[in-house]
Amino acid sequence: DAKTTQPPSMDCAEGRAANLPCNHSTISGNEYVYWYRQIHSQGPQYIIHGLKNNETNEMASLIITEDRKSSTLILPHATLRDTAVYYCIVRVLQTGANNLFFGTGTRLTVIP
Amino acid sequence: SQTIHQWPATLVQPVGSPLSLECTVEGTSNPNLYWYRQAAGRGLQLLFYSVGIGQISSEVPQNLSASRPQDRQFILSSKKLLLSDSGFYLCAWNLRETEAFFGQGTRLTVV
Repeated sequence: DAKTTQPPSMDCAEGRAANLPCNHSTISGNEYVYWYRQIHSQGPQYIIHGLKNNETNEMASLIITEDRKSSTLILPHATLRDTAVYYCIVRVLQTGANNLFFGTGTRLTVIP
Repeated sequence: SQTIHQWPATLVQPVGSPLSLECTVEGTSNPNLYWYRQAAGRGLQLLFYSVGIGQISSEVPQNLSASRPQDRQFILSSKKLLLSDSGFYLCAWNLRETEAFFGQGTRLTVV
């Protein structure tokens, strides 16, 4: 039921930018794009979210295309601790709980 | 501040035995609550969610059940475990306008 598509895995050299793509071609006008990550054997951690404007916080940047059908999460300087599974989901705010579906995510491996 | 507690962290249970995993949230009221399962090397599968006391929605038919006896308590249960119930179980909460916050998970091994 996840409405997003992500590559199953990616590698990134330590210190370089990691760019993780996500396709959400059926996104509705009131759906936000959320990114989480899960380090092995831990609960997922929220990273960032956005509606249509690009967003940046202390962890990452989120670039959403103008048609909103895809987005990219950017980790500007990847470290070994960024090795994790990254999940992109879309959800509508201000509704009930019936829209918090995660897909299989992208397994990012940061290489020394 | 809000916190979520999930226990136990690990559990080994024989096939056919009952299961009870508990999750509690502190520092917020009327949260949405969720149970997820993650099989080895797989993504997160939403099992149950709840928008209020006694209100449970099931996403996947199976031999598991969930209950919400109190506003900030969410329990995952089974009367008889199967081998296929092994996995990493995660509890999460959010408010309608916020991101989700996850517990640290319970690794269940059914033997």
